Amino acid sequence: AQTVTQSQPEMSVQEAETVTLSCTYDTSESNYYLFWYKQPPSRQMILVIRQEAYKQQNATENRFSVNFQKAAKSFSLKISDSQLGDTAMYFCAFGGAQKLVFGQGTRLTINP
Amino acid sequence: EAGVAQSPRYKIIEKRQSVAFWCNPISGHATLYWYQQILGQGPKLLIQFQNNGVVDDSQLPKDRFSAERLKGVDSTLKIQPAKLEDSAVYLCASSLGLAARSYNEQFFGPGTRLTVL
Repeated sequence: AQTVTQSQPEMSVQEAETVTLSCTYDTSESNYYLFWYKQPPSRQMILVIRQEAYKQQNATENRFSVNFQKAAKSFSLKISDSQLGDTAMYFCAFGGAQKLVFGQGTRLTINP
Repeated sequence: EAGVAQSPRYKIIEKRQSVAFWCNPISGHATLYWYQQILGQGPKLLIQFQNNGVVDDSQLPKDRFSAERLKGVDSTLKIQPAKLEDSAVYLCASSLGLAARSYNEQFFGPGTRLTVL
């Protein structure tokens, strides 16, 4: 069974700083996807960024980028120029065979 | 395009009572998921439908939880009888459908927060 571990329960940075959230996973599958989801207090899960395991190039979406290390089974999220609206819970998720497995989440607070 | 709709947004019940949640997926989405998210944890898949058939219900506590998706569109999730440990947010998600070599993005609804007293 797949497992996803987020070792940082909470993080806090100042607005405009860069922050990196960590995620490790375990799987025996070779084809899979990795995701970062954002969950603000409204509870709506919003997809931030997606990485296909077969792609070596790290995914980027505007201020969001990932560092995907397949051999180390590591998938970290970097948020550049952080904004107050980035305050939320962030979940790392593993997607294999259409089933999503989530980590426990990291609560990120951006301070003015 | 309308998103995934869920109701109610909040529900408070006594233990041993029954409760039902409703989900309306995005139009045209064949796959529907119900997740349970306990406070401080990530969502856990309870059941996955493809049209009106069950694909995966391995983590659904079948002695008290049931779900159906009649006509392959709307879905209801029921708990009977509820226990204190069922207090959680219940999230519904939908995606276009199963694909062998790619991943169909899951779109989530706002969730129903259940409190069992």
